[in-house]
Amino acid sequence: DAGVIQSPRHEVTEMGQEVTLRCKPISGHDYLFWYRQTMMRGLELLIYFNNNVPIDDSGMPEDRFSAKMPNASFSTLKIQPSEPRDSAVYFCASSNGTEYEQYFGPGTRLTVT
Amino acid sequence: AQSVTQPDIHITVSEGASLELRCNYSYGATPYLFWYVQSPGQGLQLLLKYFSGDTLVQGIKGFEAEFKRSQSSFNLRKPSVHWSDAAEYFCAVTSNTGKLIFGQGTTLQVKP
Repeated sequence: DAGVIQSPRHEVTEMGQEVTLRCKPISGHDYLFWYRQTMMRGLELLIYFNNNVPIDDSGMPEDRFSAKMPNASFSTLKIQPSEPRDSAVYFCASSNGTEYEQYFGPGTRLTVT
Repeated sequence: AQSVTQPDIHITVSEGASLELRCNYSYGATPYLFWYVQSPGQGLQLLLKYFSGDTLVQGIKGFEAEFKRSQSSFNLRKPSVHWSDAAEYFCAVTSNTGKLIFGQGTTLQVKP
């Protein structure tokens, strides 16, 4: 299995631009999670999906952030407009269920200038 | 509210020495507990997990952890550290809603 796939691995953009991060979960996993990692705040859960349906988006920082999961094999996290404080590493993870471990992708390092 | 505390932000040990990383959790019910490792520039990799049963769990790379309910702890141990173990280690707890709550992480440095 290829594991969780994220793209791009690195993204540099200017403030005000739209940013789209992509994730392909492990085949057969029905839970998908988006996290953000920063030095100041550590690892934060932004949103998670079960069977493509958003279950908890309480971690999404503000309306500039949105996430979708149009099918079982693809999810996006969009930031519009981006701000310098959005600079972080964004991880996607998937699992077989809430009682199982989560498998993490390699992350997308986002830099907003 | 659920929380995880890793008291040590940074630990340095000599190669070949033993290691113990501390983790304390706050959770009302029986927790699901995890240890993850993150190498620089990489994602998180699961080392081991505890759901139920034997309180001493074995993981990959020679790591083990012991669940102590009375102390609300889930400390990670390794008898002999290798230079390749230098990384950041995260303890996490999850409820049955599936949300993982992470500790702030412990950075391990290994001296030659």
